[in-house]
Amino acid sequence: EAGVAQSPRYKIIEKRQSVAFWCNPISGHATLYWYQQILGQGPKLLIQFQNNGVVDDSQLPKDRFSAERLKGVDSTLKIQPAKLEDSAVYLCASSTPSRDRGRANYGYTFGSGTRLTVV
Amino acid sequence: AQSVTQLDSQVPVFEEAPVELRCNYSSSVSVYLFWYVQYPNQGLQLLLKYLSGSTLVKGINGFEAEFNKSQTSFHLRKPSVHISDTAEYFCAVTPNFNKFYFGSGTKLNVKP
Repeated sequence: EAGVAQSPRYKIIEKRQSVAFWCNPISGHATLYWYQQILGQGPKLLIQFQNNGVVDDSQLPKDRFSAERLKGVDSTLKIQPAKLEDSAVYLCASSTPSRDRGRANYGYTFGSGTRLTVV
Repeated sequence: AQSVTQLDSQVPVFEEAPVELRCNYSSSVSVYLFWYVQYPNQGLQLLLKYLSGSTLVKGINGFEAEFNKSQTSFHLRKPSVHISDTAEYFCAVTPNFNKFYFGSGTKLNVKP
């Protein structure tokens, strides 16, 4: 089974520039999540999609962050304009419907992340 | 609301020694508990999870954890660590297998 794919792996931008990250979930996973992991902290959920609809975006800084999941498959997360404090690893995860919870990883899989550095 | 506290940000240990990484949580509802490992420049890999039943759960790579409801703890243990166990370990909880709440992580540094 292919994992959750993310690109790019690394990105360095100047503050006030814009940046976009891409995520391709595991095939058939209806739910997709974006997490932000700041250095020295655990991941924090930014937004959750169920198919192409937003379930939870309460922690997403909507003045500068946006995300979409067109057609309920791939997703992009955008930051515009970026601030220094946005430097972090952005992790994408996807999960299966409830009936697949018996799988070893409980059907919840993380990608390798995109490391963003804002200078 | 849920929160997770990992009391030790870094744990140095010599190879073949035992190790315990501590995790305490707070929640107003029942939660499921997880431990993830993150190797440098990689994503999160599930080590083990507690869903129900026996409070002692075994995971991959020889790790185990014990759920203690009265102390709201879920400490991770390994009787003998290897150099390859050097990584960052995250404790997490979720009430519904959607949103995960993570601790701030513990960096395990295994020395030869």
